[in-house]
Amino acid sequence: EAQVTQNPRYLITVTGKKLTVTCSQNMNHEYMSWYRQDPGLGLRQIYYSMNVEATDKGDVPEGYKVSRKEKRNFPLILESPSPNQTSLYFCASSLSASGGGETQYFGPGTRLLVL
Amino acid sequence: GQQLNQSPQSMFIQEGEDVSMNCTSSSIFNTWLWYKQDPGEGPVLLIALYKAGELTSNGRLTAQFGITRKDSFLNISASIPSDVGIYFCAGQLNSNYQLIWGAGTKLIIKP
Repeated sequence: EAQVTQNPRYLITVTGKKLTVTCSQNMNHEYMSWYRQDPGLGLRQIYYSMNVEATDKGDVPEGYKVSRKEKRNFPLILESPSPNQTSLYFCASSLSASGGGETQYFGPGTRLLVL
Repeated sequence: GQQLNQSPQSMFIQEGEDVSMNCTSSSIFNTWLWYKQDPGEGPVLLIALYKAGELTSNGRLTAQFGITRKDSFLNISASIPSDVGIYFCAGQLNSNYQLIWGAGTKLIIKP
């Protein structure tokens, strides 16, 4: 089954404790992206990647890191989480980044609480 | 970062009613997308629009790409309980691939 998977789905952590949220897609998609969703703000892009070893900042990259060493994986790293990073995080992928508006497939989300 | 102006923020309707929501922007887009998010899940694409003036239907859903390229609307006819969720518009700028998202319209159906 074609899908985007994220782990963990739920995470409670404390300020300053490094964490990684994994994202994997099995559709051989070129483009992958991370979003955070907060009430009243919709989806805001954190980072995106158009291909392996190519990553770019989105609208709200501060406090986050990503890597794209393989096409299928795009982990989101919080080196020193803070309470304002408490949010619902979505990973998404699409076949290409050609600019044709191709549909993005979203993962199920990771709900993060930073105490 | 830039956001689209999506309205209304929420809607409380009776089952069977028609629903209308829209998004506007100060920027021109070459693509408009409408997504639906069910509780506890990620957004799923409903309709994609690629040409100004384009009107596209998907079952009871109809969406239009505004002539000015700065707006789009989504209509749902004869709403049913499974229409409950959050609807997002997203626009793609000409210059790069990044999608710009609206804040969402939460649809609630009164029992």
